[in-house]
Amino acid sequence: DAGVIQSPRHEVTEMGQEVTLRCKPISGHDYLFWYRQTMMRGLELLIYFNNNVPIDDSGMPEDRFSAKMPNASFSTLKIQPSEPRDSAVYFCASSVTGNQPQHFGDGTRLSIL
Amino acid sequence: ILNVEQSPQSLHVQEGDSTNFTCSFPSSNFYALHWYRWETAKSPEALFVMTLNGDEKKKGRISATLNTKEGYSYLYIKGSQPEDSATYLCASRMDSSYKLIFGSGTRLLVRP
Repeated sequence: DAGVIQSPRHEVTEMGQEVTLRCKPISGHDYLFWYRQTMMRGLELLIYFNNNVPIDDSGMPEDRFSAKMPNASFSTLKIQPSEPRDSAVYFCASSVTGNQPQHFGDGTRLSIL
Repeated sequence: ILNVEQSPQSLHVQEGDSTNFTCSFPSSNFYALHWYRWETAKSPEALFVMTLNGDEKKKGRISATLNTKEGYSYLYIKGSQPEDSATYLCASRMDSSYKLIFGSGTRLLVRP
């Protein structure tokens, strides 16, 4: 079975540019999670969806960040405008239910110059 | 701020040694405790999800216990092998939301 698929794997862009990260969860998983991993703060939840509906976005750092899930097989995390401090690895994960283990994608390594 | 703490931060052992490390979490408002294994250049891989006080789970040579009253979980690796080298993360779910709070991990290096 295909796991969680994230794209791109790497993104390097200049500050001020819009960045869009993409995620395809495992088919049949009702929950999708977006995480950010940094050296300073470790792995932090940004937002999660249940059946395509955002449930908890308390981890979204500021209005420059937005996430959508237009259907069960696709989600995006957008940063506009991007800043150097947004440089991190962004992971997407999905799970069958909220109580089940989460399956992580390979992550997107984002560098904002 | 509710923190999840892991110790030690890093651990070097010899192949064949058994080892264990700790995850501490706030015992109030406990819902679930997750353990993940994270190899370098890969993504975190789920090991266990534990919910009940006294839970013990096992997967091959790896096992975990849970004490929700005092707020800790132990992860044990019996007869460590070089392929066990990874960062082991725990994460606690502390409310009705499915948000997980992750610890900073224990980095294990097993020398051949």
